[in-house]
Amino acid sequence: AQKVTQAQTEISVVEKEDVTLDCVYETRDTTYYLFWYKQPPSGELVFLIRRNSFDEQNEISGRYSWNFQKSTSSFNFTITASQVVDSAVYFCALSEAWGPYNTDKLIFGTGTRLQVFP
Amino acid sequence: KAGVTQTPRYLIKTRGQQVTLSCSPISGHRSVSWYQQTPGQGLQFLFEYFSETQRNKGNFPGRFSGRQFSNSRSEMNVSTLELGDSALYLCASSLGQPTDTQYFGPGTRLTVL
Repeated sequence: AQKVTQAQTEISVVEKEDVTLDCVYETRDTTYYLFWYKQPPSGELVFLIRRNSFDEQNEISGRYSWNFQKSTSSFNFTITASQVVDSAVYFCALSEAWGPYNTDKLIFGTGTRLQVFP
Repeated sequence: KAGVTQTPRYLIKTRGQQVTLSCSPISGHRSVSWYQQTPGQGLQFLFEYFSETQRNKGNFPGRFSGRQFSNSRSEMNVSTLELGDSALYLCASSLGQPTDTQYFGPGTRLTVL
């Protein structure tokens, strides 16, 4: 069965600290995609990154970086030098490439609320 | 390019009523998915439409239904509202291939009294 686990419910840090958000997933498929979304207080889910199961290269985008490890079924997200504007709920999600209906369907984790204090 | 738009942004209804939510996808996107977000259940997939056909449906009662028009705009309907239907309803659009990135709208916050 597909499942995404974000064990950290809430994390609080002070500005400029580095913070890592954990994501562990379960799937029986060999081809799948992983996503991170950010949900600020306004409610809209903002797409951050998409990674397919064949690409284990880490990715860095400015202060954001992602570490994908198939061996541990993890796709962790690190924010370097956090800022107050990073305060939001972050969701990890899984999509299987060849599900029974061959459709878009995201399985979300429960989210991690990040609070960055000045 | 304009993003996904949802109307209305806020709704207050009473139990037993019905409601229709609207979603306009990003231009060129043919797939529209709907998700319900509640504090207790988190983000749950409702259904997905592609080229006016429902391709997939989540585990929700038949009171939840939807449709998609030829211009890819989608509507979601909830009949006989219950208190538990209070939620943020998010719409997402994508090009329509499996695992294409889904881009979300701002959501419609529905409150059922």
